[in-house]
Amino acid sequence: DIVMTQSPLSLPVTPGEPASISCRSSQSLLHSDGHNYLDWYLQRPGQSPQLLIYLSSNRASGVPDRFSGSGSGRDFTLKISRVEAEDVGVYYCMQALQPPRTFGHGTKVEI
Amino acid sequence: QVQLVESGGGLVKPGGSLRLSCAASGFTFSDHYMSWIRQAPGKGLEWISYINPRSTYTNNADSVKGRFTISRDNAKNSLYLQMNSLRAEDTAVYFCARDRYASCSNSVCYEGPYYGLDVWGQGTTVTVSS
Repeated sequence: DIVMTQSPLSLPVTPGEPASISCRSSQSLLHSDGHNYLDWYLQRPGQSPQLLIYLSSNRASGVPDRFSGSGSGRDFTLKISRVEAEDVGVYYCMQALQPPRTFGHGTKVEI
Repeated sequence: QVQLVESGGGLVKPGGSLRLSCAASGFTFSDHYMSWIRQAPGKGLEWISYINPRSTYTNNADSVKGRFTISRDNAKNSLYLQMNSLRAEDTAVYFCARDRYASCSNSVCYEGPYYGLDVWGQGTTVTVSS
């Protein structure tokens, strides 16, 4: 199985400031179709997870443009350009290259 | 609107069985793979199973292999998870999620574009305890 490692596990943030979360996979997530099969999800307190980024860098519908994803191969990054209060929660990366899909352990973002 | 609604959770004794359901609406259910993901209390997300649109391909995490069975009824726009031989460590909130597109002809499906797990239900809670 592909192991996903996120860092940091906890991230204190300041509203208006940028924030960044890293995710590393145990093997490359680059598919022969040219896409990196890496997603980012946010789970706000008491809510279901929601998709933020798919295929490494594509923002999901309705996701503010302060969220951006980058990376290729084994190393990926989620960036928030200016943190807002509603961004608190746990962020997960997930590989969708091959089953079983696997998630990182999560990064708790709090103000 | 596009929606997934899980049901069927509850309290069950170790070794018991439970069947979860996920009702889909607002999209063409039969065009999509569907996944189950769970979250133990205070823990992270664990993907456990998925199924293609024609039910000809499924994949399960090792943690549930041989005990859980995913299935679907496209006529009812419904996804199911039959859980047998339940253990305390299966205690979790169970989510269903819409997965990638597929193009199917009769029983043969080809993976289509991937847009992430873009629709999630609210979850249903399963507690395994004596």
